[in-house]
Amino acid sequence: GAGVSQSPSNKVTEKGKDVELRCDPISGHTALYWYRQSLGQGLEFLIYFQGNSAPDKSGLPSDRFSAERTGGSVSTLTIQRTQQEDSAVYLCASSLVRQNNQPQHFGDGTRLSIL
Amino acid sequence: DQQVKQNSPSLSVQEGRISILNCDYTNSMFDYFLWYKKYPAEGPTFLISISSIKDKNEDGRFTVFLNKSAKHLSLHIVPSQPGDSAVYFCAATVASNTGKLIFGQGTTLQVKP
Repeated sequence: GAGVSQSPSNKVTEKGKDVELRCDPISGHTALYWYRQSLGQGLEFLIYFQGNSAPDKSGLPSDRFSAERTGGSVSTLTIQRTQQEDSAVYLCASSLVRQNNQPQHFGDGTRLSIL
Repeated sequence: DQQVKQNSPSLSVQEGRISILNCDYTNSMFDYFLWYKKYPAEGPTFLISISSIKDKNEDGRFTVFLNKSAKHLSLHIVPSQPGDSAVYFCAATVASNTGKLIFGQGTTLQVKP
């Protein structure tokens, strides 16, 4: 497809397990962002990647969260030893370049539920 | 510390009338403001943006107004249509040009036929 693709669309796991979420950005987009939306809240920035530059990890809530982007395309967000407060919708977005006037295109998200 | 605030969780309007969604912010270093629309189980979709050096931007039925002195912006939808029913998020970017979006909590708009 032409849009941002995320998988899985839903993930239910037990507390303490590790999870991995995947994002395929729009082809040719060099900037990739991860956000999460907790119940009743707005979207919260987690991390972004721009080309080969060092990622901005300033939004990651704890060291249990990490992300990587291989080959400047696909990105994975990993949450280790999941906690119930990690339950949220995790959204990935991409834009042509990392610039403030470039609209970001979002995937449909991964709904993560921690039991 | 909520830098972008949407104080109305919900809004209901009649089809054909104007919808006005409001957003307040605290950071004077924001340089772009954007509105996104979100349907259930889908990702947000970009609607319209405005630079901090402008006070109005219009695109079809959508107009965004920016009042920098009041640190307030609003999205006007005229005329409102039932398909506009969704959650609307206000977002802003900081002038460091990272593209990182800071979102408000969202306002759920319901347009009644």
